[in-house]
Amino acid sequence: AQSVTQLDSQVPVFEEAPVELRCNYSSSVSVYLFWYVQYPNQGLQLLLKYLSGSTLVKGINGFEAEFNKSQTSFHLRKPSVHISDTAEYFCAVTRFSGGYNKLIFGAGTRLAVHP
Amino acid sequence: EAGVTQFPSHSVIEKGQTVTLRCDPISGHDNLYWYRRVMGKEIKFLLHFVKESKQDESGMPNNRFLAERTGGTYSTLKVQPAELEDSGVYFCASSLSAGLRSDEQFFGPGTRLTVL
Repeated sequence: AQSVTQLDSQVPVFEEAPVELRCNYSSSVSVYLFWYVQYPNQGLQLLLKYLSGSTLVKGINGFEAEFNKSQTSFHLRKPSVHISDTAEYFCAVTRFSGGYNKLIFGAGTRLAVHP
Repeated sequence: EAGVTQFPSHSVIEKGQTVTLRCDPISGHDNLYWYRRVMGKEIKFLLHFVKESKQDESGMPNNRFLAERTGGTYSTLKVQPAELEDSGVYFCASSLSAGLRSDEQFFGPGTRLTVL
């Protein structure tokens, strides 16, 4: 079975500062990894995903994440955040297999960007 | 192109009542998923449809929950009778096909259910 741990439930940061949101996963099989963002009163939006290939994945809105297999981590980073990045961020995994792809989510990290 | 829509956006009901949530996936998407997030916890998988067939309903909490997808288009999730612990946000997602590579799931805005 897979599981996802997001180590920080809340991350406060000042505007233009860098940020890292941490995600660790456990799985006995290969997985695909995702970061989703939920802005207030909206649905979840895919930020980026790792399927294979380069371990550094670039997503929308200047976010990137690095897949580290040995540490079973997939931390999300942005070098300079904006007020508009205030949202809740979810890390998720799914099994690397044919067939359907149910997502296993972490508990979420609330990013609060302050002026 | 319209995204995934869910109705209602909010529902407040009393314990013992029945509630039906609706999800309209993106047109042409065969796969439809239901997820639920209970207050402050992780988003959990409930079930998955491929067209009108239930592919996996391993996440359904109990037999008070009934999901249908008539004609392989929209889906409904009925809770009858509702209990306090059913409160949470119910998300629907759809994807085009579930092949060998993970197919992006597009999420709706969710329905916030409050059971009093």
